[in-house]
Amino acid sequence: GQSLEQPSEVTAVEGAIVQINCTYQTSGFYGLSWYQQHDGGAPTFLSYNALDGLEETGRFSSFLSRSDSYGYLLLQELQMKDSASYFCAGPLYNQGGKLIFGQGTELSVKP
Amino acid sequence: DAGVTQSPTHLIKTRGQQVTLRCSPKSGHDTVSWYQQALGQGPQFIFQYYEEEERQRGNFPDRFSGHQFPNYSSELNVNALLLGDSALYLCASSLPSGTGELFFGEGSRLTVL
Repeated sequence: GQSLEQPSEVTAVEGAIVQINCTYQTSGFYGLSWYQQHDGGAPTFLSYNALDGLEETGRFSSFLSRSDSYGYLLLQELQMKDSASYFCAGPLYNQGGKLIFGQGTELSVKP
Repeated sequence: DAGVTQSPTHLIKTRGQQVTLRCSPKSGHDTVSWYQQALGQGPQFIFQYYEEEERQRGNFPDRFSGHQFPNYSSELNVNALLLGDSALYLCASSLPSGTGELFFGEGSRLTVL
């Protein structure tokens, strides 16, 4: 089957750094995406790793190791507004970009 | 530039009824995907439309059907509603390049009583 595993909850303090890990169980993914969702609203795209290595976008970075079937999202200089659910998602080869989502990690940022 | 818009935002139905949800994709996007998100879960892929045809389908029964119109907007229809169909239904648009970047609407929250 195809599945992605991530921690259900993470708590951190304002200004800190937090890492959200994602491991997956299929070889069918051709990259790894990350999405943020506030309070059941529209998920918003954060990053996409097509190749192994680190991608940096402002305070957010994402890493992928296809050999280890593992990736992570790194959030730096945490702000209260970063409190949200974060989903890793894998687009499947030859399936027109169909995404398989993980169950989500709820991040709580404390003052 | 309008993003993805969905209607209605909230609706309540009873078991056995039918529902139609609507979606207008982001300007310039021709591919529309529908996802179901139960409370506390990740979005589950229902199906994807491109050039007015269903291109991919997830593990959902035939009660779930859809349509894409020539202007790329789309509808999701669910027949014979079950209590378990209560969820947030998300529409996402994209270009057919399949890079993993989807633009989501705010969703339609369906409650089945």
